[in-house]
Amino acid sequence: DIQMTQSPSSLSASVGDRVTITCQASQDISNYLNWYQQKPGKAPKLLIYDASNLETGVPSRFSGSGSGTDFTFTISSLQPEDIATYYCQQYDNLLLFTFGPGTKVDIK
Amino acid sequence: EVQLVQSGAEVKKPGESLKISCKGSGYSFTSYWIGWVRQMPGKGLEWMGIIYPGDSDTRYSPSFQGQVTISADKSISTAYLQWSSLKASDTAMYYCARLREVRLGETYAFDIWGQGTMVTVSS
Repeated sequence: DIQMTQSPSSLSASVGDRVTITCQASQDISNYLNWYQQKPGKAPKLLIYDASNLETGVPSRFSGSGSGTDFTFTISSLQPEDIATYYCQQYDNLLLFTFGPGTKVDIK
Repeated sequence: EVQLVQSGAEVKKPGESLKISCKGSGYSFTSYWIGWVRQMPGKGLEWMGIIYPGDSDTRYSPSFQGQVTISADKSISTAYLQWSSLKASDTAMYYCARLREVRLGETYAFDIWGQGTMVTVSS
């Protein structure tokens, strides 16, 4: 099984700050990595697919990068509406998926 | 509008059976995998499995294999998640999600999500 780690598990930042979350896979997953946002009481929402591609309609302050085992998710300028938990997700060629443990982001 | 609409909240007793549903609309239901995701209270997302309604090809997470059954009825564009004997530890929110094939046969993402079905198992 491919294991996913995310760090930090939580963070507190000010409006306008740059926020970075990392996700690490236990083995090479190429770019088979997506990022989701989940606001309290809501279903998850796809933000980034294929490690670095912005989903249609998602604000450009969100971005992703990386390949292989190390990935980064960035919010360039944190907004109040970005309060949420962010999850990375990987999959393999058998379509077996794993979510990372999540990073909870709130406003300082 | 493309959407997935899930069945309503359930309250069950340990040992009872349950089948929850996820109805797709606004797209070709048989052309996309549907996945199920568990979220226990206050916890993260756990992928359970997926089904391709076109041919009922099903894949399970090793953690959920044998614990649940995923099925689909393409004639009514509905996927299902069922338990034969519920446990208190099955108490959770369950989401279905559509799996979009981003790059043909290579990359995928869950792009449309249902609203979730809360399952509570308590004696």
